[in-house]
Amino acid sequence: DAGITQSPRHKVTETGTPVTLRCHQTENHRYMYWYRQDPGHGLRLIHYSYGVKDTDKGEVSDGYSVSRSKTEDFLLTLESATSSQTSVYFCAISEPPGAKIPTDTQYFGPGTRLTVL
Amino acid sequence: AQKVTQAQTEISVVEKEDVTLDCVYETRDTTYYLFWYKQPPSGELVFLIRRNSFDEQNEISGRYSWNFQKSTSSFNFTITASQVVDSAVYFCALSEENNNDMRFGAGTRLTVKP
Repeated sequence: DAGITQSPRHKVTETGTPVTLRCHQTENHRYMYWYRQDPGHGLRLIHYSYGVKDTDKGEVSDGYSVSRSKTEDFLLTLESATSSQTSVYFCAISEPPGAKIPTDTQYFGPGTRLTVL
Repeated sequence: AQKVTQAQTEISVVEKEDVTLDCVYETRDTTYYLFWYKQPPSGELVFLIRRNSFDEQNEISGRYSWNFQKSTSSFNFTITASQVVDSAVYFCALSEENNNDMRFGAGTRLTVKP
């Protein structure tokens, strides 16, 4: 258990509305990630963070923004949700080089199921 | 960019059968890491194993074993004497050194029937 929670766990919203998903961790992990999971695609990286206020884009970042104002929270925002953003969203953590656990191993939160009508 | 292919979309076996899940990867890096994750029907992602590119030793953990072959760019996963609780979607993933963009295969759905 990597101490990761996601909220909300389920959300239904309408096209064009803003949506923010929250990932919260309690163990001071430096690296945090947001993925989306879709049938036939596995998981794809949206954005990741390597520290407070330090973020970078992943493979499918268009239409998403992120923020990390403190170590424990990593927020994913859909500024204007579209039906193509209906998906299951997973947050993950890993550790930087020198940490006790392998730095490249990612541990995942429980996921958020988002439906955009 | 790196790529992971899991050609088997779905596999169905009867309990106690052995089953192998295939994973083929592509990367230009010499240092990389391979992973398997399990996603049971409850939906969470469970880390199973990590293997780095310099360690081709096969690994066994109980009924699970992994066969890493750099010559064929494969990292296959075998479950011996499968059980109903093994029913899940299994993902293979690849991470290159100094690259935070881990790539996942599309997953293989394993159904073990009693």
